[in-house]
Amino acid sequence: SQQGEEDPQALSIQEGENATMNCSYKTSINNLQWYRQNSGRGLVHLILIRSNEREKHSGRLRVTLDTSKKSSSLLITASRAADTASYFCATGGYTGGFKTIFGAGTRLFVKA
Amino acid sequence: DTAVSQTPKYLVTQMGNDKSIKCEQNLGHDTMYWYKQDSKKFLKIMFSYNNKELIINETVPNRFSPKSPDKAHLNLHINSLELGDSAVYFCASSHRLAGGANTGELFFGEGSRLTVL
Repeated sequence: SQQGEEDPQALSIQEGENATMNCSYKTSINNLQWYRQNSGRGLVHLILIRSNEREKHSGRLRVTLDTSKKSSSLLITASRAADTASYFCATGGYTGGFKTIFGAGTRLFVKA
Repeated sequence: DTAVSQTPKYLVTQMGNDKSIKCEQNLGHDTMYWYKQDSKKFLKIMFSYNNKELIINETVPNRFSPKSPDKAHLNLHINSLELGDSAVYFCASSHRLAGGANTGELFFGEGSRLTVL
């Protein structure tokens, strides 16, 4: 079964607006990661936040993690048309072996 | 140089055939993976190898047989292909973290789109 569940499934915004995507998960984790996938391409790692961290920044990306609620959010500020892609959260931890398990993804469309 | 490369990128074949997908990484990573992404974009782990040793096998039908000749290569052979095997198969690699965890950053190939007719 999928570990992470992203919300919303799809998001359409104007260029310059902020985009927020949420992820919920079920079991305890070692870390949580966000990946980006452009259409027809492989996934690219964006950011990793460890279970003992609450917030992390990387350029226009801000990730928060709330382990008590088993949830995370990815904020992309000042979005650009080039940010149009699918974004996946992935939880890293031990569930019958050390694994990174992906959610279903949020499809972000940024209109120019 | 491509860090994780998979071949072929596209594969169209008939039901019942056998096919292979190859993967190579030049990142010096210890661990390699196969993930399957279905038409709804769900990405599911299939196998994981660490230094040529199988460490994760996620209830995948035994028609799927991974092979790792060395830690830089992980191939996937599929026997008796079925319609439901149509998907994009991604190879990935990562470092093994301290304590034996393999849950750090994954580096993905561009995917191999398999279509079974």
